[in-house]
Amino acid sequence: DQQVKQNSPSLSVQEGRISILNCDYTNSMFDYFLWYKKYPAEGPTFLISISSIKDKNEDGRFTVFLNKSAKHLSLHIVPSQPGDSAVYFCAAPVGYSTLTFGKGTMLLVSP
Amino acid sequence: ETGVTQSPTHLIKTRGQQVTLRCSSQSGHNTVSWYQQALGQGPQFIFQYYREEENGRGNFPPRFSGLQFPNYSSELNVNALELDDSALYLCASSDSRFQGANSGANVLTFGAGSRLTVL
Repeated sequence: DQQVKQNSPSLSVQEGRISILNCDYTNSMFDYFLWYKKYPAEGPTFLISISSIKDKNEDGRFTVFLNKSAKHLSLHIVPSQPGDSAVYFCAAPVGYSTLTFGKGTMLLVSP
Repeated sequence: ETGVTQSPTHLIKTRGQQVTLRCSSQSGHNTVSWYQQALGQGPQFIFQYYREEENGRGNFPPRFSGLQFPNYSSELNVNALELDDSALYLCASSDSRFQGANSGANVLTFGAGSRLTVL
């Protein structure tokens, strides 16, 4: 059973606009979350993370928001760029250096 | 600093055959994990190796096995291949010196993967 869920398989956004990728989780014991980005023919690369002691973490154009009561987190990309087109995975630790991943959301940013 | 390298990048096997995939961890990383990513799915944890021993395993049958060598590189072996084994196999490395759930210990560095097709 998936403990981390990404219910939107794909998202299309125009360049310059905001991209919002969503992630829900079922395990209230999760206290750390990570987002990975994956381009075709490459491995996933770490993008940004957030600890449960925070409700927001920002890194340049990327911001992750955490709503613990709703067991929901979201990744905001502002402004979106064509180079952001990739598959984005939400993940949470289930053990030392062991992650459980969502199914991913494919983001397409059009010029 | 070299990243995680995997070989081969692509391979085709038939049902019942055996396959060995290889991974060199990032310089300075002593823990290696293997993940299976089926089409349309997120990566799924297979197992992890630390100090040449299996250090955790996901929901995969015993025909999935592995090794870690003294230089921290690793192999994934799959016996009696089935059609459902067709997937991208990702190797990830990390550094055990970073401890704690809210730390860099959970930031894995992935290789580009080995795409296995079973016919």
